[in-house]
Amino acid sequence: SQQGEEDPQALSIQEGENATMNCSYKTSINNLQWYRQNSGRGLVHLILIRSNEREKHSGRLRVTLDTSKKSSSLLITASRAADTASYFCATGPTGANSKLTFGKGITLSVRP
Amino acid sequence: DGGITQSPKYLFRKEGQNVTLSCEQNLNHDAMYWYRQDPGQGLRLIYYSQIVNDFQKGDIAEGYSVSREKKESFPLTVTSAQKNPTAFYLCASSLPGLEAYFGPGTRLTVL
Repeated sequence: SQQGEEDPQALSIQEGENATMNCSYKTSINNLQWYRQNSGRGLVHLILIRSNEREKHSGRLRVTLDTSKKSSSLLITASRAADTASYFCATGPTGANSKLTFGKGITLSVRP
Repeated sequence: DGGITQSPKYLFRKEGQNVTLSCEQNLNHDAMYWYRQDPGQGLRLIYYSQIVNDFQKGDIAEGYSVSREKKESFPLTVTSAQKNPTAFYLCASSLPGLEAYFGPGTRLTVL
């Protein structure tokens, strides 16, 4: 079973526009993480937000977390063609368990 | 130069053969993971290990086996019992509760 469910499955925008991606999950979490994957490569960690945080920024990335709705969003501002990739959310469970569960991902295409 | 490596990058297997995928990390991470990625399926967890000599099944462990004899190494064996092994395999490692670092992946094809 996959804990995180991203939405939309695919997103196509023009360079310079903002991209918003959403993630919903089912059970209590310790943290939620966002990753990026370029085609045929390994994943690269973008940002981690803990369950007691509501918003976090890193460069052009803004992540929000709403634990009451069990959802998170990733905003990429002023998108660039180089942002074209797949984006995944992953949840880290509560307790001592290190199990990290991913969603199916969102394919983002940024048109130059 | 710290990181996580996987080998080989491409692997071809005949039906009925077992193959072992290598994963090594020098990040001193306690946890290590194996994921399988199929088109449109995202990442599915095969096995994970939180400490040496211990590992747990993930969501799709059938047909796979692992060992964790050293902190740095977490090899994955794809056995002949795995009926559809053609996929992209990703290894990752992390400290507890923190972000994961991924290797470049191994693409396995069954001939």
